[in-house]
Amino acid sequence: AQSVTQPDIHITVSEGASLELRCNYSYGATPYLFWYVQSPGQGLQLLLKYFSGDTLVQGIKGFEAEFKRSQSSFNLRKPSVHWSDAAEYFCAVGPSGSARQLTFGSGTQLTVLP
Amino acid sequence: SAVISQKPSRDICQRGTSLTIQCQVDSQVTMMFWYRQQPGQSLTLIATANQGSEATYESGFVIDKFPISRPNLTFSTLTVSNMSPEDSSIYLCSVRKVADTQYFGPGTRLTVL
Repeated sequence: AQSVTQPDIHITVSEGASLELRCNYSYGATPYLFWYVQSPGQGLQLLLKYFSGDTLVQGIKGFEAEFKRSQSSFNLRKPSVHWSDAAEYFCAVGPSGSARQLTFGSGTQLTVLP
Repeated sequence: SAVISQKPSRDICQRGTSLTIQCQVDSQVTMMFWYRQQPGQSLTLIATANQGSEATYESGFVIDKFPISRPNLTFSTLTVSNMSPEDSSIYLCSVRKVADTQYFGPGTRLTVL
């Protein structure tokens, strides 16, 4: 069965600092990988996705993520965090060829200090 | 992408009652999904809403508790029946668009007293 682990429940960074959110997955084949962001009281917004090809993918709002097959990881990064980035971030994995069975990680809550 | 709306955005309900949540998409989609997000938790898939046939439920979720309708390719409803405080959650619908990507609605925040 597929699974996703986000080891950091809560991360606090200062505005302007760099950010890395960790995501490890377990899946038997080549997965589709996603990062979503959920602002307070909002639904989920897709930040970026990886299906194949270049292992470094660019997303919206200045985010990027790198797929590392050898480490089963898909970490999310941003070089300079803005106060508006404070939100909860979810990593998700799905089997290639179908978005039906998305499995979500437990989420990482990001706090941004002024 | 997709523009998805949900009604109501939030509600407070009494134990034993039922609530129907609506999900509207701005374009026709084949696959629509309903998720539950319990307080402080991640998302759990409830069911896949199939147009023209019964919904497909995930383990732990049953039709009697969460009946789903999908009358056309842009609309679906989820009913939370005979509610208890344990049903207090955010309920989100999502749709699958091109390139196997799911897009989510804003969610319905339900509190059961």
